[in-house]
Amino acid sequence: NAGVTQTPKFQVLKTGQSMTLQCAQDMNHNSMYWYRQDPGMGLRLIYYSASEGTTDKGEVPNGYNVSRLNKREFSLRLESAAPSQTSVYFCASSGSDRVTAYNSPLHFGNGTRLTVT
Amino acid sequence: QKEVEQDPGPLSVPEGAIVSLNCTYSNSAFQYFMWYRQYSRKGPELLMYTYSSGNKEDGRFTAQVDKSSKYISLFIRDSQPSDSATYLCAMSVPAAGNKLTFGGGTRVLVKP
Repeated sequence: NAGVTQTPKFQVLKTGQSMTLQCAQDMNHNSMYWYRQDPGMGLRLIYYSASEGTTDKGEVPNGYNVSRLNKREFSLRLESAAPSQTSVYFCASSGSDRVTAYNSPLHFGNGTRLTVT
Repeated sequence: QKEVEQDPGPLSVPEGAIVSLNCTYSNSAFQYFMWYRQYSRKGPELLMYTYSSGNKEDGRFTAQVDKSSKYISLFIRDSQPSDSATYLCAMSVPAAGNKLTFGGGTRVLVKP
């Protein structure tokens, strides 16, 4: 059971470089999310895709772009990396974008640790 | 001020003790409350999920929600070294769906 797979696991970039973080899920989930985690800040939503073909901004979208390539894959692109983007990035998926009285949990990958120098 | 506040810890307890964790929040519209556990170098995993107010128990874990005080708690009974992790609270308003607002996490260390 792979669940949510993120690549790469680690990356070091120089300021101004670009890169794409990859995420794939094998649970046939409709919704996918990108979060960043910084010390003491918890997880903050960057972008999400409620369903295939749709994407929307979250709390901290500046400096990022996303692509929902198909139902399984959701990538995050940094066009011109900045030191403020040093963080751990988590991709997550869920069966639905709607939380109901029943359980609709987020399933997370194990993260990509990005350092921008 | 953050919407969800959580003491970062670390919280160190001896094996077998009760671990008590809590979060306070400011947005009275939050209706869904979750606790996630995160081991080092891993992604968070859902531990408990409650809707609106009340208590929920699952094995050694009990989650409580007090909406009047804007305060949620997680209790871990008979704590084990394997419970050593960071615990994140998360909340959502119905209109926001699964776009959760997280607390900063509390690091817990259970000593054998």
